[in-house]
Amino acid sequence: GQSLEQPSEVTAVEGAIVQINCTYQTSGFYGLSWYQQHDGGAPTFLSYNALDGLEETGRFSSFLSRSDSYGYLLLQELQMKDSASYFCAVRQAGTALIFGKGTTLSVSS
Amino acid sequence: DVKVTQSSRYLVKRTGEKVFLECVQDMDHENMFWYRQDPGLGLRLIYFSYDVKMKEKGDIPEGYSVSREKKERFSLILESASTNQTSMYLCASSAPAGSSYEQYFGPGTRLTVT
Repeated sequence: GQSLEQPSEVTAVEGAIVQINCTYQTSGFYGLSWYQQHDGGAPTFLSYNALDGLEETGRFSSFLSRSDSYGYLLLQELQMKDSASYFCAVRQAGTALIFGKGTTLSVSS
Repeated sequence: DVKVTQSSRYLVKRTGEKVFLECVQDMDHENMFWYRQDPGLGLRLIYFSYDVKMKEKGDIPEGYSVSREKKERFSLILESASTNQTSMYLCASSAPAGSSYEQYFGPGTRLTVT
């Protein structure tokens, strides 16, 4: 079967660093995407890793290890506005993505 | 600026009704997708389309059909709505295969079937 596993909830305080892990088991793999969704809003694209290593975009970074079928999203200098759900998604052959169930991040002051 | 619009934010229908959810994108994207989102289950793919008049089943197509007569418009049809189809429905679009990892989502339609 195909599955993506990520923690259901993560809590942190403002200014901290948090890592959201994602492990996947899929029949094909082209890359790992991350999306952010605020309560009541639409998911928005954050990052994509096709190759092993770290991709940095401002306060957010995403990492991929294809050999371990594992990736993570790293959020630094957390702000209250980072409170949201975060989804990892695997791109298989073709155009569709398979999404994980999401991780709810709660940032407190 | 990229835009995906959905016909309604909230919709209430009765069991057995035929329901149409419309999605329009203005980015000239080839690929369009319909998902449903339920608490604790994430986004589940219902159907997608990679070209006009083409469609592919996703993970949970039962009870749904789709129509893509024009490139910019992708419709989701519930032939006979049931209470277990109460959900948030999200439409998305993406550019061709090389960029399909970046999907653009509409605001969603919260459908309640009573």
